[in-house]
Amino acid sequence: AQKVTQAQTEISVVEKEDVTLDCVYETRDTTYYLFWYKQPPSGELVFLIRRNSFDEQNEISGRYSWNFQKSTSSFNFTITASQVVDSAVYFCAPLKGQNFVFGPGTRLSVLP
Amino acid sequence: GAGVSQSPSNKVTEKGKDVELRCDPISGHTALYWYRQSLGQGLEFLIYFQGNSAPDKSGLPSDRFSAERTGGSVSTLTIQRTQQEDSAVYLCASSLAAKGRGVTFGSGTRLTVV
Repeated sequence: AQKVTQAQTEISVVEKEDVTLDCVYETRDTTYYLFWYKQPPSGELVFLIRRNSFDEQNEISGRYSWNFQKSTSSFNFTITASQVVDSAVYFCAPLKGQNFVFGPGTRLSVLP
Repeated sequence: GAGVSQSPSNKVTEKGKDVELRCDPISGHTALYWYRQSLGQGLEFLIYFQGNSAPDKSGLPSDRFSAERTGGSVSTLTIQRTQQEDSAVYLCASSLAAKGRGVTFGSGTRLTVV
């Protein structure tokens, strides 16, 4: 069975702080794809990153970075120098077949 | 259009009535998905269409739920005899590629069953 855990339900930080959102994906599959999506108050799900299980290189995109470690089943997401506009719910979402299995989400509030 | 369009954006219906939710995917996208987002259940997969293949209906919660995709484009999700537990935001998404690449979500339809 597959299980997606985002242990942090809610996080509040002050603007300019760094914040890391945790995701643990337990699966028996040896190959899989992992995604992060952002859901701002407007409601649309915004794609952030797609990684496959063969690629454990950390990735950085502007203020965003991702740390994928297959050995610990973790796919963590860090926002550096957070901004108020980063306030949203963030979902970790492995792909099962052609469909996403969304984690419960972490609500991030960045305070000015 | 430029994005995935869903209508209506909000729908209030009485328990027991049927409702239809519409999704206009991005032009040319062959894959179309429906998801549901509710407080108690989070984000759940409902149904997936890919081209002319038989849809993957494995996520539909009951036989009151059905979906069609006409002409490989517009999709309609129908809920018959609505129940209060059907209250949720119904999200549609479309993509051109496989394996989750390029999936674009709409803003959703907020359904409230009273």
